[in-house]
Amino acid sequence: GAVVSQHPSWVICKSGTSVKIECRSLDFQATTMFWYRQFPKQSLMLMATSNEGSKATYEQGVEKDKFLINHASLTLSTLTVTSAHPEDSSFYICSARYREPYEQYFGPGTRLTVT
Amino acid sequence: GQNIDQPTEMTATEGAIVQINCTYQTSGFNGLFWYQQHAGEAPTFLSYNVLDGLEEKGRFSSFLSRSKGYSYLLLKELQMKDSASYLCAVSSNDYKLSFGAGTTVTVRA
Repeated sequence: GAVVSQHPSWVICKSGTSVKIECRSLDFQATTMFWYRQFPKQSLMLMATSNEGSKATYEQGVEKDKFLINHASLTLSTLTVTSAHPEDSSFYICSARYREPYEQYFGPGTRLTVT
Repeated sequence: GQNIDQPTEMTATEGAIVQINCTYQTSGFNGLFWYQQHAGEAPTFLSYNVLDGLEEKGRFSSFLSRSKGYSYLLLKELQMKDSASYLCAVSSNDYKLSFGAGTTVTVRA
């Protein structure tokens, strides 16, 4: 149990375009999902908390109008990087909260490259 | 805020033991996690400590001292596949995770 998937696993896009990344909990319902970003040789940085049926809460310094999060169902959260720029190139990882508040299971990540 | 420190790199020989230390200063605490991350992959859960003491799980053990803001991950009988980055993460009062920068462990034959 507690499997989280992400799609796509990697994407290359041109500067100025938008990219949508999906995060799904496959065998459980997740009212809360988290989005992280990881630059090379750095640790995971929490970007935002996605709550089903309500607005996402963003960490300080993360532009909510640039990183749009939608958690429309109990098994799906999406992150849309709008007007992507090369500095947005990174490894984006989602996680879903499982049974206990402290349990998070991570998706396999999405490698975004903006050219 | 959270401040989490762990060594950048460690090297050990196959079959040996390695201890990765983590110190933290947090505004709230709901447990400490250790994750393993191979390059280009998502982190996988190794251990969770919320009370002081040692938690043992096969070749991996994790220790926590809340009063000292200190934890360590002990890897025994090292195998080549254990070469990875090991992330220390602290869960705050709202259960958000803050990660350390990770310790890259290289296992040599």
